[in-house]
Amino acid sequence: GAGVSQTPSNKVTEKGKYVELRCDPISGHTALYWYRQSLGQGPEFLIYFQGTGAADDSGLPNDRFFAVRPEGSVSTLKIQRTERGDSAVYLCASSPRADLNTGELFFGEGSRLTVL
Amino acid sequence: AQSVAQPEDQVNVAEGNPLTVKCTYSVSGNPYLFWYVQYPNRGLQFLLKYITGDNLVKGSYGFEAEFNKSQTSFHLKKPSALVSDSALYFCAVRGGEGGGYNKLIFGAGTRLAVHP
Repeated sequence: GAGVSQTPSNKVTEKGKYVELRCDPISGHTALYWYRQSLGQGPEFLIYFQGTGAADDSGLPNDRFFAVRPEGSVSTLKIQRTERGDSAVYLCASSPRADLNTGELFFGEGSRLTVL
Repeated sequence: AQSVAQPEDQVNVAEGNPLTVKCTYSVSGNPYLFWYVQYPNRGLQFLLKYITGDNLVKGSYGFEAEFNKSQTSFHLKKPSALVSDSALYFCAVRGGEGGGYNKLIFGAGTRLAVHP
């Protein structure tokens, strides 16, 4: 399909391990967002990219979290030394442009991360 | 700081009855308000948005929302609920000054249950 694709859909890991979550946005969308949704809560902003650069990374909780988008399309969210509190659904969204006046966010189905 | 509040964790309504899902907002400047829906095992889907203009905004699947500046509210409504409307609904506001204009801040969500 032509929607936002996220892999893996489910990831179970052990505390202290390294994890990568991938997002493939809708073709041609220049803006890409990462959100985190914990159980019973709304999505929490992590970072967004305009093209290849991180335009706003103010939501990343600490330096264990990092995201890249080297070619302005696919993005990878990287989590080092995972902790049990990192367990959540990580959502990716893309938009034709980072302009919420006219654009809307198109979300993927998310990657559910469980840290044991 | 921009924020939204959804005072109800869950709303129950009988099929065919009107439904309302409440949202109040707190912003500096003009509010840009959004509603998204999340069906089980699906990504968040855009329903509607208020940027400016008519206070009654019509969106997807027969939903509408009324912007009320004096009450700082943006309640989601539908004249006749369907069982298939059962889902998790999120109100969101555009971020504010300091680089926040191009991201959404979500409420905690309201679970809508429509009973046959």
